[in-house]
Amino acid sequence: GDSVTQMEGPVTLSEEAFLTINCTYTATGYPSLFWYVQYPGEGLQLLLKATKADDKGSNKGFEATYRKETTSFHLEKGSVQVSDSAVYFCALSADYNTDKLIFGTGTRLQVFP
Amino acid sequence: EAQVTQNPRYLITVTGKKLTVTCSQNMNHEYMSWYRQDPGLGLRQIYYSMNVEVTDKGDVPEGYKVSRKEKRNFPLILESPSPNQTSLYFCASSLQGPNTEAFFGQGTRLTVV
Repeated sequence: GDSVTQMEGPVTLSEEAFLTINCTYTATGYPSLFWYVQYPGEGLQLLLKATKADDKGSNKGFEATYRKETTSFHLEKGSVQVSDSAVYFCALSADYNTDKLIFGTGTRLQVFP
Repeated sequence: EAQVTQNPRYLITVTGKKLTVTCSQNMNHEYMSWYRQDPGLGLRQIYYSMNVEVTDKGDVPEGYKVSRKEKRNFPLILESPSPNQTSLYFCASSLQGPNTEAFFGQGTRLTVV
């Protein structure tokens, strides 16, 4: 079945460091891909999305490119801030079954000053 | 303000005592869904609803019930809670299915003793 695999956390960085959180997926067809972020004590919120191959989603300095050939959607940011500390979830919605969103296990990011 | 409201935020209950977690959205969204979040497992879908009076099972529906009598409300019912239902629960809504941006409530932390 369809699935999403994320790198284990926590990821610990100093402020202004470069961030990469890896995400790979398994799905037939052409799923839509998402990154959601969960700040402490809150629900998830959409960070960015991409709906077709080679699309780049971007928001708040974060970027991710939909790579069909490597089935990946890695999240990157050039310079992280303490306020970026959160849990990041990669997710997909299959093109043949749009009834559900399938989440990865989440990656906790901790940024220290 | 557009939002998804869950109540209660925290609940401690005893095994077998029926409980309901309410969820309401004010965005006129058609799609609503319930997830549980457990360490190392990410978010798993319990039930979802594509529209009023239309509900269906997600990946982990055992021990839960839902109803969708009105578009804005989607309560989660635990008829006879058990300790393995101790978890963090999230309600989410989106305009037209999970391919569109999902808005999450703040979560309900349930402990069953």
